[in-house]
Amino acid sequence: QKEVEQDPGPLSVPEGAIVSLNCTYSNSAFQYFMWYRQYSRKGPELLMYTYSSGNKEDGRFTAQVDKSSKYISLFIRDSQPSDSATYLCAMSEGQGGKLIFGQGTELSVKP
Amino acid sequence: GAVVSQHPSWVICKSGTSVKIECRSLDFQATTMFWYRQFPKQSLMLMATSNEGSKATYEQGVEKDKFLINHASLTLSTLTVTSAHPEDSSFYICSASAARARFHEQFFGPGTRLTVL
Repeated sequence: QKEVEQDPGPLSVPEGAIVSLNCTYSNSAFQYFMWYRQYSRKGPELLMYTYSSGNKEDGRFTAQVDKSSKYISLFIRDSQPSDSATYLCAMSEGQGGKLIFGQGTELSVKP
Repeated sequence: GAVVSQHPSWVICKSGTSVKIECRSLDFQATTMFWYRQFPKQSLMLMATSNEGSKATYEQGVEKDKFLINHASLTLSTLTVTSAHPEDSSFYICSASAARARFHEQFFGPGTRLTVL
């Protein structure tokens, strides 16, 4: 069993839709939870990070962490074609710790 | 700020040759640099962690004699793939972090695509 599981998709939605991306994990020691966006043939860029449980909002993006269920989510409101990319969740046990990535979900937002 | 570059962005080489990839933090001093490998439609897999001036720590299953990592300064780390074979073809991504960055955030380079013929 992988430490971090993420549905690879692909996920296709119409412009303006609400997108929900999810990851589950097995290591209860994870404390830092990140979402990265990766465009084709590029390095990942950090979108959101959350420490421990709770919600965090940044513009059209909301990250949720439920440590009791070992489940994290990223919501994208009013999705745009420019949001089309692969979204990777990542987790670590501590600051500067090893990042464990999910497989990534390929998202396509159609105009 | 927090820009990480990689060079080259892509490279094609013959089987049996060695290839060096550079990773530079352009506007900050990186206490730690990481090297990842990503196969198509797959996640990033950590290969090794390196701190300036010390030997790299390799993940289980990664051959340290095949993937040579040098972290000679706080802004430069290199990965050399020795005696490359077609199965080494992959997307190699480095990241750099600084202790004073929030939660020691890793900043990722744009990646290097290696194709071994």
